[in-house]
Amino acid sequence: NAGVTQTPKFRILKIGQSMTLQCAQDMNHNYMYWYRQDPGMGLKLIYYSVGAGITDKGEVPNGYNVSRSTTEDFPLRLELAAPSQTSVYFCASSGERTGGETQYFGPGTRLLVL
Amino acid sequence: GDSVTQMEGPVTLSEEAFLTINCTYTATGYPSLFWYVQYPGEGLQLLLKATKADDKGSNKGFEATYRKETTSFHLEKGSVQVSDSAVYFCALTHTSGTYKYIFGTGTRLKVLA
Repeated sequence: NAGVTQTPKFRILKIGQSMTLQCAQDMNHNYMYWYRQDPGMGLKLIYYSVGAGITDKGEVPNGYNVSRSTTEDFPLRLELAAPSQTSVYFCASSGERTGGETQYFGPGTRLLVL
Repeated sequence: GDSVTQMEGPVTLSEEAFLTINCTYTATGYPSLFWYVQYPGEGLQLLLKATKADDKGSNKGFEATYRKETTSFHLEKGSVQVSDSAVYFCALTHTSGTYKYIFGTGTRLKVLA
């Protein structure tokens, strides 16, 4: 049971390039989330999904896109990278929507846009 | 809207000192409350949680009590170790109507030997 996995661990992008951050979970969780964590700041929700084929915007969706074709995978797409997207990106998942449900986090992807 | 406020860091303590990290929240109804911990270079992991008023969450010597009257969920540990050095996040989620979690900005703890 690997939990939540993310690839790559670290990436440098040039301004205007695109990339996909991969996220997978093997816990059969319906709910998956993408957050960004800027230095010294808390987590901001980018997108989330409540099941395969269903996604919705979080607080800071601009410049990102997501898809959820399977329960296991929830990739995050960056189009036209900008320096403001330099951050650490965390994927998370959780089980049924009941009170007190724990989120499980991946190890993160550190992205630097130059 | 809902929000979580944590004390500013960093907090620097000597080994075996008593730790308190304050967390207060603003929310409608009765949210569930969490403390997550982030060790250097890693993702967040659940430390403890409480789902109703007066519940006490505990794990690894850490404790926090859900205080509805003061809308607080302060984290405490009686004797910290160097290995407790990390960033601690307070968070809340509701039992219904939303899938979203609200995180505080995090408090960095540094424990010196």
